[in-house]
Amino acid sequence: QQQVKQSPQSLIVQKGGISIINCAYENTAFDYFPWYQQFPGKGPALLIAIRPDVSEKKEGRFTISFNKSAKQFSLHIMDSQPGDSATYFCAASPEFWGKLIFGQGTELSVKP
Amino acid sequence: GAVVSQHPSRVICKSGTSVKIECRSLDFQATTMFWYRQFPKQSLMLMATSNEGSKATYEQGVEKDKFLINHASLTLSTLTVTSAHPEDSSFYICSARDLTGRNQPQHFGDGTRLSIL
Repeated sequence: QQQVKQSPQSLIVQKGGISIINCAYENTAFDYFPWYQQFPGKGPALLIAIRPDVSEKKEGRFTISFNKSAKQFSLHIMDSQPGDSATYFCAASPEFWGKLIFGQGTELSVKP
Repeated sequence: GAVVSQHPSRVICKSGTSVKIECRSLDFQATTMFWYRQFPKQSLMLMATSNEGSKATYEQGVEKDKFLINHASLTLSTLTVTSAHPEDSSFYICSARDLTGRNQPQHFGDGTRLSIL
């Protein structure tokens, strides 16, 4: 059972543009929703995370939008840069310290 | 910042051998560590949750006798792939949870690339 669905699978954006990645979840017990960035041959690194009690969180160029009723959340990368080219994973967990269920991943390519 | 170290970063060995992968939290104590497996171009799949001083909890479909996990101290967990075969070739990643920081997320290691010939 795929509990977190992520789209698109791949994304190409021009430098300076906005990258948008979407995720949807099924389990209403999920209480923590992080986004991770992974470069080839490396482990994932936490970008930004949100709890369901807020609808939006912004950290620098990265923003999470959260829609609890629709069970959806998205990552927006403003002013996308070539250095942002990586694979991005959304995830969900029933608790802040709990095991993470990852989405399928989105391979982002930012063209100069 | 919190650092999780994995060793080795890459290992190539013959089919039938056993391979041990170490996961260490370098500057914090971790009562819980998680082991993930990632095939090329795919997502991270949780294999097991490792708790210090107790038996690991395995996810459905993961063979506990094949993937032995030991979490003997608050800074070290090991994953041993026993009698490894080519289908076990994958990227194995661990993460650790800071014991003391209530608001600290999981910290991931840089993974171990396992190739079985």
